[in-house]
Amino acid sequence: DQQVKQNSPSLSVQEGRISILNCDYTNSMFDYFLWYKKYPAEGPTFLISISSIKDKNEDGRFTVFLNKSAKHLSLHIVPSQPGDSAVYFCAASRGSQGNLIFGKGTKLSVKP
Amino acid sequence: DAGVIQSPRHEVTEMGQEVTLRCKPISGHDYLFWYRQTMMRGLELLIYFNNNVPIDDSGMPEDRFSAKMPNASFSTLKIQPSEPRDSAVYFCASSSRGGYTFGSGTRLTVV
Repeated sequence: DQQVKQNSPSLSVQEGRISILNCDYTNSMFDYFLWYKKYPAEGPTFLISISSIKDKNEDGRFTVFLNKSAKHLSLHIVPSQPGDSAVYFCAASRGSQGNLIFGKGTKLSVKP
Repeated sequence: DAGVIQSPRHEVTEMGQEVTLRCKPISGHDYLFWYRQTMMRGLELLIYFNNNVPIDDSGMPEDRFSAKMPNASFSTLKIQPSEPRDSAVYFCASSSRGGYTFGSGTRLTVV
């Protein structure tokens, strides 16, 4: 049973517009959430994280929102750029040092 | 630091053969993780080590899979005998204080 779910396998967005990637989780014990970005033939790389004591964390063009009551988080990228085209994985853990449980990923395509 | 180094990058083998995947973690990292990526299941945690000791191997699919970490700078994931359904990309990651660094992965194809 998937504890971290990314229900959209793919997303296509025009350059300059906002990209919104969604993630749901089922385990209420998760308290640390991360987004990873993966290019073809490379390993995932860390993008941004959020602790359950916050509901928003922003880093440049990337913002992660956490809705604990809905067990939902989202990654906003604005403005989107063609170089953002990649697979984005949502991950969750118990504590910042717990092992990560990943979703299946969402492939983002940003069209020029 | 060169990051997490995995070898080989690609492996094609025949069903029934033994396959060994290798990983060199980042020096000083005390956690090492093996993940498998497939279209159907995404990134699955297979096993992880802390200070060279296996902590949780509940993700290892079958007895055909085994992993070792003989020292802090080396780990192997072995599949014996391999089957076509083992075809996937296998990632190794290491961490210290929660920050994961992934290797580039080994793409395994079992024919």
